[in-house]
Amino acid sequence: GEDVEQSLFLSVREGDSSVINCTYTDSSSTYLYWYKQEPGAGLQLLTYIFSNMDMKQDQRLTVLLNKKDKHLSLRIADTQTGDSAIYFCAEGGNTPLVFGKGTRLSVIA
Amino acid sequence: NAGVTQTPKFRVLKTGQSMTLLCAQDMNHEYMYWYRQDPGMGLRLIHYSVGEGTTAKGEVPDGYNVSRLKKQNFLLGLESAAPSQTSVYFCASSYWRTNQPQHFGDGTRLSIL
Repeated sequence: GEDVEQSLFLSVREGDSSVINCTYTDSSSTYLYWYKQEPGAGLQLLTYIFSNMDMKQDQRLTVLLNKKDKHLSLRIADTQTGDSAIYFCAEGGNTPLVFGKGTRLSVIA
Repeated sequence: NAGVTQTPKFRVLKTGQSMTLLCAQDMNHEYMYWYRQDPGMGLRLIHYSVGEGTTAKGEVPDGYNVSRLKKQNFLLGLESAAPSQTSVYFCASSYWRTNQPQHFGDGTRLSIL
């Protein structure tokens, strides 16, 4: 079945850029998503990219998609302490979204 | 807009008790989902529904039942709770295709003693 892999932890200094990586297996995925989960809350949709795009930029967020390698990344510029959270990658194809296990981003002041 | 609302937010049960978790959405979404989130396991899909009156099994359906009698509501039932069902449960909804973005509730934290 489909699978989505992410590294579990990332630690960065405030003001630096953060890059969270994700690999997926379903070549029929049409959309790929990034969600953010803050402590005690549900998942919040951050951004998404359609499978025929290579890059999408939205303010401090940049999503890069390498469809050949099935690799997705989320770059957060000028990372702030408020960006500390768990970030989930998800792929959408012909079945319900498949989520990765999440990357916990810790921002050090 | 309320979005996706889950009730209750917290609950403690004893082994063998039953309960129902309620999810309500006001976005006129066709699809609704129930997930559980456990440390180190990410989100696992329990059951989902592609429309009123329909349900389908997800990755971890055993021990749970669901019903979708009204389009806006999706109920998750535990008939005989077990400690292994201690988890945080999330409901989500989306528009008419499975690859569309899902909107999540804030979760129900369930402890089974």
